Amino acid sequence: AQKVTQAQTEISVVEKEDVTLDCVYETRDTTYYLFWYKQPPSGELVFLIRRNSFDEQNEISGRYSWNFQKSTSSFNFTITASQVVDSAVYFCALSVAGAQKLVFGQGTRLTINP
Amino acid sequence: DAGVTQSPTHLIKTRGQHVTLRCSPISGHKSVSWYQQVLGQGPQFIFQYYEKEERGRGNFPDRFSARQFPNYSSELNVNALLLGDSALYLCASTVTYAENQPQHFGDGTRLSIL
Repeated sequence: AQKVTQAQTEISVVEKEDVTLDCVYETRDTTYYLFWYKQPPSGELVFLIRRNSFDEQNEISGRYSWNFQKSTSSFNFTITASQVVDSAVYFCALSVAGAQKLVFGQGTRLTINP
Repeated sequence: DAGVTQSPTHLIKTRGQHVTLRCSPISGHKSVSWYQQVLGQGPQFIFQYYEKEERGRGNFPDRFSARQFPNYSSELNVNALLLGDSALYLCASTVTYAENQPQHFGDGTRLSIL
């Protein structure tokens, strides 16, 4: 069975601070995919990034960066110079080969204060 | 192009009733998945349909059923509603049935059981 753990339930920072959201996953499959989604108050889950198990290269997209480490089964998400618009619930999710279903973590509620 | 659309937006039912939720995928998308998100938790996978056939089922009772129509839209049916069925029901679509594809989510239907 697969499992995703987001230990940080809530994080609150002041605007312009850097913040890292942690994600730890469990799976016995050798081929798997990791995702991050953002959920604003409207409810829609917005796709941010996908990583496959064979690609440990870190990725940067503007103020967002992701650190994937297979050795620690982690896929952490960092927002640099946070902004109020970054306030949302962020979910880490996992899918494995042969099953399109996503297994989500509990989510981290991020609040950026002006 | 329109995103994933779900109807209704909100719904209030009483225990024991039946409910039907509807989802229209993004144009050209043939796979639809349903998730239940209880307040404060991550989404839980309910069903996946691809080309009108069920391709995956989560750990939900038989009171939950779904189907996909020739135009790839989908319905989620829940019978004998319980208080615990109160949740945000999310629909997601992808072009094909592939575990590496990011799922595109709708805004959800918020179901309240009284």
